[in-house]
Amino acid sequence: AQRVTQPEKLLSVFKGAPVELKCNYSYSGSPELFWYVQYSRQRLQLLLRHISRESIKGFTADLNKGETSFHLKKPFAQEEDSAMYYCALSGGGNNRLAFGKGNQVVVIP
Amino acid sequence: GAGVSQSPSNKVTEKGKDVELRCDPISGHTALYWYRQSLGQGLEFLIYFQGNSAPDKSGLPSDRFSAERTGGSVSTLTIQRTQQEDSAVYLCASSPRITGELFFGEGSRLTVL
Repeated sequence: AQRVTQPEKLLSVFKGAPVELKCNYSYSGSPELFWYVQYSRQRLQLLLRHISRESIKGFTADLNKGETSFHLKKPFAQEEDSAMYYCALSGGGNNRLAFGKGNQVVVIP
Repeated sequence: GAGVSQSPSNKVTEKGKDVELRCDPISGHTALYWYRQSLGQGLEFLIYFQGNSAPDKSGLPSDRFSAERTGGSVSTLTIQRTQQEDSAVYLCASSPRITGELFFGEGSRLTVL
C-alpha cells in the first residue's frame, strides 16, 4: 500500500527565513514523488517532481530512499509562498496518486 | 482557458437526497481522477478512469458512491442518500498519460444539511 505522511499541519515562518516541509512515504516498490501546491482561491497544481530534479520558485526536494523521505525546502521564504502544500506518491504501474494530509504554510511579513 | 471544469461549484443539499457532480477534463486527457478534500484529511482518492473504464474503484467510501465516464471525456460522480459526513470538496483531475502530473479542477463544494 502507498502511504504519505506529512507530520506538521501548520508551519509559520518569517519572510526570509528557511522553510522545510517534511514528507515521508511508505511504498515497497520504486516510487515517484511529487509536491503539489494550492494557493488561496486557486486550484491545486504541480510544484515539482523528483525525477525532474529541478528548482521551482526557489523550492527543491530530494528523494532519500534510505530514509523514505522527500522533504521540500526553500532557503528564503517569501510572502507569496503562503499556501497549502501536499506531498504525493505514485507507485510504478499503479496510477493512483496518494496524497498526504497537507501542510499549511504561512509566511509572516 | 481549457482547464478541467467542474460543476456545480457549490451544492447544498438535504440529508438523504442524491447529488451528481460533473467533471469535464482537458481535451485529449485519457486519465481522470476523483478525490475528496476534507478539512484535516487531505486528499482522499476515490476513483480513477483510464478511458471509460475504472481500473481502481477501491477508494469509493461506500456503495452510495458511484462514478461513470462516457466517451472518454465527461465524468459524473453520484452520491446517493447523502449523509452529513459526505460534506467536502470533491476534486476532479485529468492527466494526459501515466505521468503522475495531474491537472485539477476548482472542485465542487458539497454541503449536506
